Amino acid sequence: EAQVTQNPRYLITVTGKKLTVTCSQNMNHEYMSWYRQDPGLGLRQIYYSMNVEVTDKGDVPEGYKVSRKEKRNFPLILESPSPNQTSLYFCASSLYGPTRDGYTFGSGTRLTVV
Amino acid sequence: DAKTTQPNSMESNEEEPVHLPCNHSTISGTDYIHWYRQLPSQGPEYVIHGLTSNVNNRMASLAIAEDRKSSTLILHRATLRDAAVYYCIPLHSPNFGNEKLTFGTGTRLTIIP
Repeated sequence: EAQVTQNPRYLITVTGKKLTVTCSQNMNHEYMSWYRQDPGLGLRQIYYSMNVEVTDKGDVPEGYKVSRKEKRNFPLILESPSPNQTSLYFCASSLYGPTRDGYTFGSGTRLTVV
Repeated sequence: DAKTTQPNSMESNEEEPVHLPCNHSTISGTDYIHWYRQLPSQGPEYVIHGLTSNVNNRMASLAIAEDRKSSTLILHRATLRDAAVYYCIPLHSPNFGNEKLTFGTGTRLTIIP
């Protein structure tokens, strides 16, 4: 089944403890992106990638890192999580770019930082 | 980025057609109009997109006004599974760079059994 898989689905962690949220797609998509969703603020883009080794910042990149060493994976790294990064995170991928064929989103990762 | 205006909420009876409006009066000539929806506890889901002419797919139809300042997403026969927040998103395709979806607040659609 064609899909975007995020892990974990739920995570509770403490401030300052490094964590990685994984994202993998099995559709050979070029484009991948991370979004966070917060009440009253909607979905905001964190980082995106147009291909392997090509990444750039979205609207809210502070406190996050990403890497794209292979096409299928696009992990989101929080080096020193803080409570304001408590949010619902979504990974998305697209073959030709979201303008042409839309994004396929994962099921989300709910992160709580205490 | 083009601004969009959608009703905060709408209700529809099950098995009836639903017309979800969106105003995007500041849209540029090269912006595509995309629609996504988000079911409860799920990630957003692509529904349909178009540029100038009306579009149909297995999920819905998209009717775009001649002046492109508004569009309407049409669900031909609503089911309970269509209850979701629907987002209308103008999207500009740059020659090279970030094709970023900007999600507004959307329309929360409730389906009445």
